[in-house]
Amino acid sequence: SQQGEEDPQALSIQEGENATMNCSYKTSINNLQWYRQNSGRGLVHLILIRSNEREKHSGRLRVTLDTSKKSSSLLITASRAADTASYFCATDSSNYQLIWGAGTKLIIKP
Amino acid sequence: SQTIHQWPATLVQPVGSPLSLECTVEGTSNPNLYWYRQAAGRGLQLLFYSVGIGQISSEVPQNLSASRPQDRQFILSSKKLLLSDSGFYLCAWKSSGAQGYTFGSGTRLTVV
Repeated sequence: SQQGEEDPQALSIQEGENATMNCSYKTSINNLQWYRQNSGRGLVHLILIRSNEREKHSGRLRVTLDTSKKSSSLLITASRAADTASYFCATDSSNYQLIWGAGTKLIIKP
Repeated sequence: SQTIHQWPATLVQPVGSPLSLECTVEGTSNPNLYWYRQAAGRGLQLLFYSVGIGQISSEVPQNLSASRPQDRQFILSSKKLLLSDSGFYLCAWKSSGAQGYTFGSGTRLTVV
């Protein structure tokens, strides 16, 4: 079943602008992960934030986690054309599997 | 280095034909292995996962089966494909201590 729900479903911005995507989930988690998928390709792990963390950075990526609201956000700063992709959140509540959202399709316009 | 190989990249099969998709990983031992299916424009649906040789857990009842004959080999099979089996199939692995999952490049299966 799909636990994570990304918002918005699609986002189109100009190159250089910041992109923010949100993810909501329903049950308690061990960690939450964000992945990127270029069209027709496999997914690439971007960042993992643990349930006891509130914010994490990796290059131009910033992830926040609010366990009281069961939500997370992914911010991509200074977007580039190469950031065009679908972004998925996934929650880890056990050792063996992730629960995935339907993804946000991000388009960066040159 | 740790890598994952998944093949073929694309596959067109007639209804009722058998299926075998193979996934192998390198550079790790005793990984957790996963088969996912992704419908167009959607998230991932977990089909099977394996925590060890011969250990398969199925998440959804379906026309597919999985096997793990070796530690780093995971196979997705079907005896008779249905039209509804069309989709994008992804293999992934995770080792203990790893931050996230590593995915193969996927197989686009079209059943005609």
